[in-house]
Amino acid sequence: GAGVSQSPSNKVTEKGKDVELRCDPISGHTALYWYRQSLGQGLEFLIYFQGNSAPDKSGLPSDRFSAERTGGSVSTLTIQRTQQEDSAVYLCASSLGTGVDYGYTFGSGTRLTVV
Amino acid sequence: DQQVKQNSPSLSVQEGRISILNCDYTNSMFDYFLWYKKYPAEGPTFLISISSIKDKNEDGRFTVFLNKSAKHLSLHIVPSQPGDSAVYFCAAREGNTPLVFGKGTRLSVIA
Repeated sequence: GAGVSQSPSNKVTEKGKDVELRCDPISGHTALYWYRQSLGQGLEFLIYFQGNSAPDKSGLPSDRFSAERTGGSVSTLTIQRTQQEDSAVYLCASSLGTGVDYGYTFGSGTRLTVV
Repeated sequence: DQQVKQNSPSLSVQEGRISILNCDYTNSMFDYFLWYKKYPAEGPTFLISISSIKDKNEDGRFTVFLNKSAKHLSLHIVPSQPGDSAVYFCAAREGNTPLVFGKGTRLSVIA
């Protein structure tokens, strides 16, 4: 597609449920990044993929968070046993590579609300 | 600990005047700096960048200044337009590592 697509755009879930957030990067973009923006906060790095591998998972807040990427394309961020503090906008970005010359293109995000 | 800090949550400027958004960083290994702009319900979009080997980069109405000794960068928008009203994020990276973002500054340009 022309841009980075994220689904769903909005998700309301009950505390304790699992959720899956999807990111479709721009075709040909080998690097894929997940960030989240909580209320009043900046963009917090979660994880990134180069191809299907995740060299840096250091930003994942807890072991309830996991992510995978298949076929060097679609990525899924899974949050198990959601908590209210997981409420945030989850943003995905892709780029042609990880080099400094490669800019990020962001999707519009998934707004997650845990009630 | 915040490695990239934007200490002004908001800024209000009159149309036609200069907007100056500031950003400080703590990691001296950062070698590339960027500004992103974000409208509500949209993802951030790239605005302008600067390498640590430069101290200024200009693109139309937008200029980014880098002061490495002070670990400070700023974004100047002149003249400011109502369409510039958005949240501006400062970001930095060290080599090929993922971007580190600040908390953002909400700019309001008043007609």
